[in-house]
Amino acid sequence: EDQVTQSPEALRLQEGESSSLNCSYTVSGLRGLFWYRQDPGKGPEFLFTLYSAGEEKEKERLKATLTKKESFLHITAPKPEDSATYLCAVPYTGNQFYFGTGTSLTVIP
Amino acid sequence: DSGVTQTPKHLITATGQRVTLRCSPRSGDLSVYWYQQSLDQGLQFLIQYYNGEERAKGNILERFSAQQFPDLHSELNLSSLELGDSALYFCASSGQGGTEAFFGQGTRLTVV
Repeated sequence: EDQVTQSPEALRLQEGESSSLNCSYTVSGLRGLFWYRQDPGKGPEFLFTLYSAGEEKEKERLKATLTKKESFLHITAPKPEDSATYLCAVPYTGNQFYFGTGTSLTVIP
Repeated sequence: DSGVTQTPKHLITATGQRVTLRCSPRSGDLSVYWYQQSLDQGLQFLIQYYNGEERAKGNILERFSAQQFPDLHSELNLSSLELGDSALYFCASSGQGGTEAFFGQGTRLTVV
C-alpha cells in the first residue's frame, strides 16, 4: 500500500500562472510531512516541514499547507527558476522516510 | 549547501566490479540514510543507520552493504555490479525524532 501519493505527475505552467501540487498520505499518527525540491541530477533540497493539520509554511512563491489527509504546495506567480521536481515525504517506522514519486514542474517563460 | 558530503561525485566502473560510496553527515546528525534513484524513478530507500547501528532496511540487494563508523560517516558498498545498478545514490542525514532529512549531492554511478 502506497504511503504517499503525489499528483499531478507533471505540470506545465506559464510564467505567472499560479497552481497547486497535491500530496496525499495514508500514514497514521503523522509525525511530520516534508516537502523537497529536486533539480535534475542534484540531491533533494529541503523546503518545509508541517506537523499538524491547519499548519502553513511559506517561502518566496511557495506555500505549503496540511490537512489530516493531504498536503498542498501552492505556487504563486511562478518563474522559470521554479522548474524542478517537488517531492513530499513522511516519516514512518522510526526515522525512515517514505517519498512520493514527485511532481515535475515546468514553468514556461 | 546541506552540510552532507558525498564522494565521489561520479563513478564509472565495469560490470562485476565493487565500489564504495562515502557519506559524511551533517554535524550532530546521528542518522544516515542511503537512497537509490534510477533514471526517471523515485527515491528508493536502501538502508538506515543510527549512531553506528543498522536501524532499517529497505529494498537493498544482497550485493549491497553499508556501515556507519564511530565518527558517524557511512559507506555504501556495491559489489558484483550490474548494468542495472547505474543510478544516482544519495545519502541523507537527520537528527532524532523524525526531523527532516538533509541530502547530499549524490554519487552518479555508471556501470559499463
